[in-house]
Amino acid sequence: EPEVTQTPSHQVTQMGQEVILRCVPISNHLYFYWYRQILGQKVEFLVSFYNNEISEKSEIFDDQFSVERPDGSNFTLKIRSTKLEDSAMYFCAGSERNYGYTFGSGTRLTVV
Amino acid sequence: AQSVTQLDSQVPVFEEAPVELRCNYSSSVSVYLFWYVQYPNQGLQLLLKYLSGSTLVESINGFEAEFNKSQTSFHLRKPSVHISDTAEYFCAVTSNAGGTSYGKLTFGQGTILTVHP
Repeated sequence: EPEVTQTPSHQVTQMGQEVILRCVPISNHLYFYWYRQILGQKVEFLVSFYNNEISEKSEIFDDQFSVERPDGSNFTLKIRSTKLEDSAMYFCAGSERNYGYTFGSGTRLTVV
Repeated sequence: AQSVTQLDSQVPVFEEAPVELRCNYSSSVSVYLFWYVQYPNQGLQLLLKYLSGSTLVESINGFEAEFNKSQTSFHLRKPSVHISDTAEYFCAVTSNAGGTSYGKLTFGQGTILTVHP
């Protein structure tokens, strides 16, 4: 069964550093998403991406965050200057037009 | 705006007992509903979903959920649980907005199901 692949599985970074989280979606998916889950809390929507542009973003997704799909396959989330409160599990997801969302296994980001 | 409430943060049960994990939602438009399962240190796996048609939906591993529009609920049930069902379960909702925003998922807080021998 096709999978959404996320790398790295775990990243530790110093506060203020930039991080890029990478995702390879399923090839026939059209819609792409990033979610995050702070330890012990619920999964929160960050941003959705369609036709090479952001279609919706949450209040969490401020100017420190950006997404892009530079080569038609990888889908990346960049955090420009990380803060301690950015520590979380970040999930990439994709879907076709049938609400068949598929999630990756996540990247655990630890900001120290 | 849509929201999801999972009424129980933790549900302990014994093996082979029945279980119900409760989920209520609120939305001003028609909704699609999902249950996801998360095993320790793993990602979210789709358990089942309701898009349309029969209000009772089933998963391949014995779980079922019933969409109740009048009670705005989508409770998850299993008649006999196994140790391997121990995990965190998330209820999620999206609206059929369509277009370029093909429905962000709004998740509940999660319910940790612990199955004891």
